[in-house]
Amino acid sequence: DSGVTQTPKHLITATGQRVTLRCSPRSGDLSVYWYQQSLDQGLQFLIQYYNGEERAKGNILERFSAQQFPDLHSELNLSSLELGDSALYFCASSPLGTSGGGEQFFGPGTRLTVL
Amino acid sequence: DQQVKQNSPSLSVQEGRISILNCDYTNSMFDYFLWYKKYPAEGPTFLISISSIKDKNEDGRFTVFLNKSAKHLSLHIVPSQPGDSAVYFCAAIGYGGSQGNLIFGKGTKLSVKP
Repeated sequence: DSGVTQTPKHLITATGQRVTLRCSPRSGDLSVYWYQQSLDQGLQFLIQYYNGEERAKGNILERFSAQQFPDLHSELNLSSLELGDSALYFCASSPLGTSGGGEQFFGPGTRLTVL
Repeated sequence: DQQVKQNSPSLSVQEGRISILNCDYTNSMFDYFLWYKKYPAEGPTFLISISSIKDKNEDGRFTVFLNKSAKHLSLHIVPSQPGDSAVYFCAAIGYGGSQGNLIFGKGTKLSVKP
């Protein structure tokens, strides 16, 4: 158990809908990262928050947004969903603003299926 | 354009033998590399890492080797055990504006047969 929790575990929805994925980092970790793993793909970095502020952005679509709240939990919002958004979404946390020299701790993921 | 490549999607090894998983990268700005292991229905878990100032790091049965001139790293597992069967991801820290997010390869599925 990494100490990172993600809800829900599974989510099935229809095209055009909007969903929210939630992540609680390990106790004391200030950074939260979101990754997407599509079929046959490695994990793709989406976005990072550090202590409530956006720190880095990857290949995140404009239809996707995230935020980190004062209690450090984070939410990833996916809107106008398309079939291609079906994927595993992982949240990870780390103590510092960057992971240089230190690993990230991953949650179990949320499996999103868009029908 | 993939900056971290794991060219072998799968690897099968006999229990007790050595498993060698390979990873190549293209960005010379990477200076820290990590290996993660992932079981089905779980998130990736950290296994071992190496800084670019080293060429080898060892932790029990796991050793990572880094060849900077070839932009290549490998993970050796000796001896391999059935519980090592998982997907192994190579990852690099991307600086130069990437603020330390991990850049992952597509993974290699290791099967260790009893």
